[in-house]
Amino acid sequence: SAVISQKPSRDICQRGTSLTIQCQVDSQVTMMFWYRQQPGQSLTLIATANQGSEATYESGFVIDKFPISRPNLTFSTLTVSNMSPEDSSIYLCSTQGSTNEKLFFGSGTQLSVL
Amino acid sequence: KNQVEQSPQSLIILEGKNCTLQCNYTVSPFSNLRWYKQDTGRGPVSLTIMTFSENTKSNGRYTATLDADTKQSSLHITASQLSDSASYICVVSKTAGNKLTFGGGTRVLVKP
Repeated sequence: SAVISQKPSRDICQRGTSLTIQCQVDSQVTMMFWYRQQPGQSLTLIATANQGSEATYESGFVIDKFPISRPNLTFSTLTVSNMSPEDSSIYLCSTQGSTNEKLFFGSGTQLSVL
Repeated sequence: KNQVEQSPQSLIILEGKNCTLQCNYTVSPFSNLRWYKQDTGRGPVSLTIMTFSENTKSNGRYTATLDADTKQSSLHITASQLSDSASYICVVSKTAGNKLTFGGGTRVLVKP
């Protein structure tokens, strides 16, 4: 199993600012992912964080808006840039040891943009 | 149309009663199906993972079933407790590229 520490747990931000969310895993993991969960909806994959290279973004998400870092096998950050109220959501990081293994999730970051 | 549909969207049950949640999917080719429990304000936690060849899997009071022919799964909660109040999410994995498709979830409220 993997224990993921995600912070901040919540934040209220002003329009036009940026917020960086951090995820620290207690062990080295191959795959790390970032998800968004909009109010009342299910999870949508933003990107796969690749160690030592650029993240792989899903359709509808771009690096300029959601820059991601993954400097090593235990840590990743997601930045929500130039925020607007539409970015108000829960952001979750997750890890998976390998395909077909269970996903472990951080506790999430509740973001509200005014 | 979402490739993973869950029903009902929400339900209320009395403590001690049983309930069953449904998940229908069209994802193909299928690799595995997962059920997650998400408490309010928390990240999802894995309950079960089932591959194509598995029909049922239990985790305590949670029992998941899978019919890969009809592309249906269910999650049965036995003797519900107040702590079972949460959203339950069905997730289907595609064989190619390990793509995960999330259902919209079922919100369960257990009342005393």
